[in-house]
Amino acid sequence: NFMLTQPHSVSESPGKTVTISCTRSSGSIASNFVQWYQQRPGSSPTIVIYEDNERPSGVPDRFSGSIDSSSNSASLTISGLKTEDEADYYCQSYDSSNHVLVFGGGTKLTVL
Amino acid sequence: EVQLVESGGGLVQPGGSLRLSCAASGFSFSTYWMHWVRQAPGKGLVWVSYINRDGSSTSYAASVKGRFTASRDNAKNTLYLQMNSLSVEDTAVYYCARGISVGGQYYYYGMDVWGQGTTVTVSS
Repeated sequence: NFMLTQPHSVSESPGKTVTISCTRSSGSIASNFVQWYQQRPGSSPTIVIYEDNERPSGVPDRFSGSIDSSSNSASLTISGLKTEDEADYYCQSYDSSNHVLVFGGGTKLTVL
Repeated sequence: EVQLVESGGGLVQPGGSLRLSCAASGFSFSTYWMHWVRQAPGKGLVWVSYINRDGSSTSYAASVKGRFTASRDNAKNTLYLQMNSLSVEDTAVYYCARGISVGGQYYYYGMDVWGQGTTVTVSS
């Protein structure tokens, strides 16, 4: 199975833009959809991006996703940061040949 | 309201067994793939298992394969996870999650609704 590697932590100021990367260790990032989840402290995860760049209803358009085949990575970008965006963010994809799902290790976003 | 409510967690000795349940409501349960995901204290999310809509197909993470069994009762709108031969490394919050739905189609590759989780502690 492949691994998804995320930075351990990122921080940015309110109103700014932050990007969280998710690098796939083997196989093409474009081969299987990438999802992103937000987990606020003490809460269950919620999905914020699915199928690489689609936003579920109710998720603000400040959240966007993309993939970059040249770096074999996916990215979650949050613009106009708010203190409520402070959370752990996880990327997730799947290995369709082995029928398993894979999560990245998570990135702690601090908005200060 | 779409809801998933896990139960069955608790304290169990190493080598013991536990069965988790996940009661679904507010949606057509039998239409969706379902997942189990766990999170050890202070750690990240780890996918555990999925089961297809009629329960005929399952998949497991290597760390639990042969020890855990996912099943479902669509008549009762309930998902289960039977956990055997538990070790301290299985200590975690266990979440059930609904497989993603896109454009009226149902897929296993992501999760769009999560429960609140149930805590499993394996300790002597």
